[in-house]
Amino acid sequence: AQTVTQSQPEMSVQEAETVTLSCTYDTSESDYYLFWYKQPPSRQMILVIRQEAYKQQNATENRFSVNFQKAAKSFSLKISDSQLGDAAMYFCAYRRVTSGSRLTFGEGTQLTVNP
Amino acid sequence: EAQVTQNPRYLITVTGKKLTVTCSQNMNHEYMSWYRQDPGLGLRQIYYSMNVEVTDKGDVPEGYKVSRKEKRNFPLILESPSPNQTSLYFCASSLGGMNTEAFFGQGTRLTVV
Repeated sequence: AQTVTQSQPEMSVQEAETVTLSCTYDTSESDYYLFWYKQPPSRQMILVIRQEAYKQQNATENRFSVNFQKAAKSFSLKISDSQLGDAAMYFCAYRRVTSGSRLTFGEGTQLTVNP
Repeated sequence: EAQVTQNPRYLITVTGKKLTVTCSQNMNHEYMSWYRQDPGLGLRQIYYSMNVEVTDKGDVPEGYKVSRKEKRNFPLILESPSPNQTSLYFCASSLGGMNTEAFFGQGTRLTVV
């Protein structure tokens, strides 16, 4: 069974600084998808970024980028120029290519952004 | 507007009183899922459905039922709720296959007393 682990229950960052959230996963599959979701106080689940395992290039979306290390099974999220609106719970998630709907989530990291 | 709609958003009920949380999507997605979110545990899948009349258990199915009679609707049924089912529930839908994005509902905060 696949597992996803986020070892940082809480993180904090100063506004305009950079922060990295860690995620590791365990799978025997060679092809899969990885995601970072943001959950602000509104509880809405918002997709931040996704990575296809077959792609060596790290995904980027504006101020958000990932460091995907397939051999190490590591998938960290870097937030640059942190803004107050980035404060939220962040979840790392995994999905097998052949699974249409089954997402496996990590425990979550609560990010605080200090002004 | 493409969306997944859950109702209700908040619910307080008593132990043993049957309840249903509705979920509807307007994107013609084949795949739908239910998750529960608990502190320190992240989101865990309860049940999922690959299409009409096709459902299967997720990681934590005990105490829950689902049905998929129409493609757009996927209700979650708690026949006899217990306090350990107090949680935040999310419905999600996706096209599946190579289309990877899952769309989530707004969440339902359930308290069983």
